[in-house]
Amino acid sequence: EVQLVESGGDLVQPGRSLRLSCAASGFTFDIYGMHWVRQAPGKGLEWVSGISWNGGSIGYADSVKGRFTISRDNAKNSLFLQMNSLNPEDTALYYCAKDRRVRTNYYYSPDVWGKGTTVTVSS
Amino acid sequence: EIVLTQSPGTLSLSPGERVTLSCRASQSVSSSYLAWYQQKAGQAPRLLIYDASSRATGIPDRFSGSGSGTDFTLTISRLEPEDFAVYYCQQYGSSPSLTFGGGTKVEIK
Repeated sequence: EVQLVESGGDLVQPGRSLRLSCAASGFTFDIYGMHWVRQAPGKGLEWVSGISWNGGSIGYADSVKGRFTISRDNAKNSLFLQMNSLNPEDTALYYCAKDRRVRTNYYYSPDVWGKGTTVTVSS
Repeated sequence: EIVLTQSPGTLSLSPGERVTLSCRASQSVSSSYLAWYQQKAGQAPRLLIYDASSRATGIPDRFSGSGSGTDFTLTISRLEPEDFAVYYCQQYGSSPSLTFGGGTKVEIK
């Protein structure tokens, strides 16, 4: 069974850092691009960041550029999101999602999603 | 950045009805790289349609997508009780950047 399990969400104060992880199983992780997508309480979906299968293409939403860093460890079937300088607008459920196509530096439509991990930024 | 506008914001319908959801892009979406997702309360999004008109694996044929350029449509031919949810469009024509529309909620009348 294809599965993505996020972890690392927490309650943090503004200005602090947090690192999210996503453990992948049930598919060949190292040939797919991966994404982080977030959803603020009661709001819609917002793409945060993506990374291609080999790390050759990385992208960020303008709202997080310069503060967040995406990375992956293909040997450990894991995806990460390092979040620095957090502010209350970053409060959301963060989903890890697998891209639909293989071995490409282009981003397509995520077809498998985890259940998400909650990040709350508040003093 | 391509901005996607979905309309209407909410639709109140009855089971068995046909529904058409709209997604309009601020500029042309390259190669019709547009997808549709369904999200039920408390659940992760589910991919329904990709490349504007291709159904994802396991999606019933009552769901169909169409459109090109800046105007795209998701049609549900006959609403089933499990179809009441929020629907999002998403474009991937401007990689490495993805954007989602604001969503349309389909609720029971």
